[in-house]
Amino acid sequence: EVQLVESGGGVVQPGGSLRLSCAASGFSFEQHGMHWVRQIPGKGLQWVSFISWEGAATFYEDSVKGRFTISRDNSRNSLDLYMSGLGEEDTALYYCAKDRASGYDYGGLDHWGQGTLVVVSS
Amino acid sequence: IVLTQSPGTLSLSPGERATLSCRASQSVSSNYFAWYQQKPGQAPRLLIFDASGRAIGFPDRFSGRGSGTDFTLTISRLEPEDFAVYYCQQYTSSPFTFGQGTKLEIK
Repeated sequence: EVQLVESGGGVVQPGGSLRLSCAASGFSFEQHGMHWVRQIPGKGLQWVSFISWEGAATFYEDSVKGRFTISRDNSRNSLDLYMSGLGEEDTALYYCAKDRASGYDYGGLDHWGQGTLVVVSS
Repeated sequence: IVLTQSPGTLSLSPGERATLSCRASQSVSSNYFAWYQQKPGQAPRLLIFDASGRAIGFPDRFSGRGSGTDFTLTISRLEPEDFAVYYCQQYTSSPFTFGQGTKLEIK
């Protein structure tokens, strides 16, 4: 069974930093690209970032470029999102999600964690 | 690529047919297009991938079609458990944007 478990959320002051982690199990983690998606409670989904299976390619939503860094450790089946320069607009539930396709293809996000809540507030 | 979903809210009764639309501001190549279902308090679930492929766990009353800039999700006969919010997404080019969602509610 595929499982994705996010951690690291919490309350942080504006301008602060936070590292989110996602522990993956139940599939060949090293073969799949991974995504972070966020959702302000009661609002829609916003795609945040992607990392390819081997970590060589990373993509970001424009509003987080230069502030967020996605990384992965295939030896530990883990995905991270380092967030800095946080603003109130970054307050959201952050989901880790697995890409359905393997290798260099894309296929939609077929498994999601339950999310970790980030609140940016003074 | 900006995705615009319509309608914002769709009010229908069980047994009726639902048609949800998503229009892209640019062509979505390779039909790299998905639909997701999200119920309150739950993470989204992949429903349709590659524009028309149905994900595991969803019955054949759900179907997706479209190409280029216009995509449609159809639910042939609504069941009570189908009332939820539906999002479209393109993954042909970064950023892999989502639409704003269509809320399918019971009339």
